[in-house]
Amino acid sequence: GIQVEQSPPDLILQEGANSTLRCNFSDSVNNLQWFHQNPWGQLINLFYIPSGTKQNGRLSATTVATERYSLLYISSSQTTDSGVYFCAVYNNNDMRFGAGTRLTVKP
Amino acid sequence: SQTIHQWPATLVQPVGSPLSLECTVEGTSNPNLYWYRQAAGRGLQLLFYSVGIGQISSEVPQNLSASRPQDRQFILSSKKLLLSDSGFYLCAWSVLGLDAFFGPGTRLTVL
Repeated sequence: GIQVEQSPPDLILQEGANSTLRCNFSDSVNNLQWFHQNPWGQLINLFYIPSGTKQNGRLSATTVATERYSLLYISSSQTTDSGVYFCAVYNNNDMRFGAGTRLTVKP
Repeated sequence: SQTIHQWPATLVQPVGSPLSLECTVEGTSNPNLYWYRQAAGRGLQLLFYSVGIGQISSEVPQNLSASRPQDRQFILSSKKLLLSDSGFYLCAWSVLGLDAFFGPGTRLTVL
């Protein structure tokens, strides 16, 4: 099946810093999503982004489908941004996740 | 609007006991449904997905099974739980491979 790799696995930032999270995938996909898992385990949809660029406040994402990667940008990070960020790709009805990036934002 | 329910929220079961976790979706028709398991500090492992009533695709051979008796109901079962079945079980739905949405999850501890 399709392989999804996320980097870095762990990231520690000082509040106010910017960061870039990367998601690589091994085959063409129908769709790609970014999720944030909060400390209580809830998965929150951030972006549905099969291609192109989207922005939502301090977060933005870019997917370059032809080169099989997506980037999630977090600007002016806050402690509430802490948690695990996952990308998930769709291929033939199944949805595969990367291992995630664990982000810790320190005050 | 669409909502997804999972229950129970937490469950503690002895090794060898049966399991039944239920997931229901409201406000949509013919969704794709998914079961994932997340071990502590790990990523999400796809267990089963379904594109319609009675249609189940299994991703990982193990002692778990899934059923979809109704369009918006997805059930995860086991006849005899193992210690390794402990984890956080998440149900998700999507329509035509578009945005996926997750339920609140069930934390299962097998003792």
